[in-house]
Amino acid sequence: GAVVSQHPSRVICKSGTSVKIECRSLDFQATTMFWYRQFPKQSLMLMATSNEGSKATYEQGVEKDKFLINHASLTLSTLTVTSAHPEDSSFYICSAPDQLAKNIQYFGAGTRLSVL
Amino acid sequence: GDSVTQMEGPVTLSEEAFLTINCTYTATGYPSLFWYVQYPGEGLQLLLKATKADDKGSNKGFEATYRKETTSFHLEKGSVQVSDSAVYFCALSNFGNEKLTFGTGTRLTIIP
Repeated sequence: GAVVSQHPSRVICKSGTSVKIECRSLDFQATTMFWYRQFPKQSLMLMATSNEGSKATYEQGVEKDKFLINHASLTLSTLTVTSAHPEDSSFYICSAPDQLAKNIQYFGAGTRLSVL
Repeated sequence: GDSVTQMEGPVTLSEEAFLTINCTYTATGYPSLFWYVQYPGEGLQLLLKATKADDKGSNKGFEATYRKETTSFHLEKGSVQVSDSAVYFCALSNFGNEKLTFGTGTRLTIIP
């Protein structure tokens, strides 16, 4: 099946620094990708929809200046957590929809961000 | 808005036991329903789905039936194996779009 590669799997950074997370669709194109955030013992919360060649669509309550999304090609979306703070520590997951059955998603393995 | 409520874990069972993980939903219209599974160190992957009332999704011995009257989509397996240890997520999508609404996930551990 289709594979989505997410990198890095784990990152530890100091408060105030920025962190970039990459999400790549392997062997298929994705004009849309999704970014989720998951807190311990909570469900995945959709943060934003990444659109190739245009601006991302952010969910209510998500700071677009804090979480910068770039979808520069049909196989790559990036999420940059700018000026990270400890409260940004979380598990971030990306996904890309199946090209035919759009409501089926392929997920990356996630990125564990820890901000000190 | 749409929401999914699923059985809280963790759930620990012995090998060959019967498994049920409950999932109920709230949604307008006629959502599609999914179970995703996340094995250790891997991304979520689709386990099974159902797109309309009374549909039964099945895969790898797991089954779930779309029950509109009870707004439920409970996951079942007759005889679990150690390799079924994972986190299971119930989810829905509505109005044919790509966005998924997830439950909190249920961690399942099967002991030999």
